[in-house]
Amino acid sequence: QQQVKQSPQSLIVQKGGIPIINCAYENTAFDYFPWYQQFPGKGPALLIAIRPDVSEKKEGRFTISFNKSAKQFSLHIMDSQPGDSATYFCAASIMDSNYQLIWGAGTKLIIKP
Amino acid sequence: DTAVSQTPKYLVTQMGNDKSIKCEQNLGHDTMYWYKQDSKKFLKIMFSYNNKELIINETVPNRFSPKSPDKAHLNLHINSLELGDSAVYFCASSQDYTGELFFGEGSRLTVL
Repeated sequence: QQQVKQSPQSLIVQKGGIPIINCAYENTAFDYFPWYQQFPGKGPALLIAIRPDVSEKKEGRFTISFNKSAKQFSLHIMDSQPGDSATYFCAASIMDSNYQLIWGAGTKLIIKP
Repeated sequence: DTAVSQTPKYLVTQMGNDKSIKCEQNLGHDTMYWYKQDSKKFLKIMFSYNNKELIINETVPNRFSPKSPDKAHLNLHINSLELGDSAVYFCASSQDYTGELFFGEGSRLTVL
């Protein structure tokens, strides 16, 4: 029940396409869902996060869609660029408690020029 | 000014040796972490400290020992290194347990 399942494991998209990465969870107590982006040789960095009181959040070209009833959330990258090539991790946790982040397994995204 | 810095960036060592990785954060955060990232990029939390107190101690061999001399520093000492310890180790910090994590650039450990 503590898992976060992320798919696909890897994804190749042409420049300008819209890659979509999906995550699913079981624990309905989760109330914080961040996405982290990791470039080769660097540590992960927070990209965007959502709370379950909204169904969508946009920051620039990055959008999180959240479906509370299905217990799923996804990351969309609009007008993808080669510079977006990275590994993306979804995660989930319970805010305001001593509860660590539960991480997805990561998606390696390659944007072809 | 680097927010979370860890040294060294690379370690190459023989099986059976002992090694340490140091981490410092200048963000004023209360919580620090050690994560292990394997060759498949999976992130596994190892330890979490809050104000120098051990909070999370996942199922990690006791050859791994974290030490937090103050809330800005969290070091990782590894005894009797094994081949399976080869990985990238990340230090991270956050203001609370579940807020934004700030990661260092990682320390790549290779055990020969």
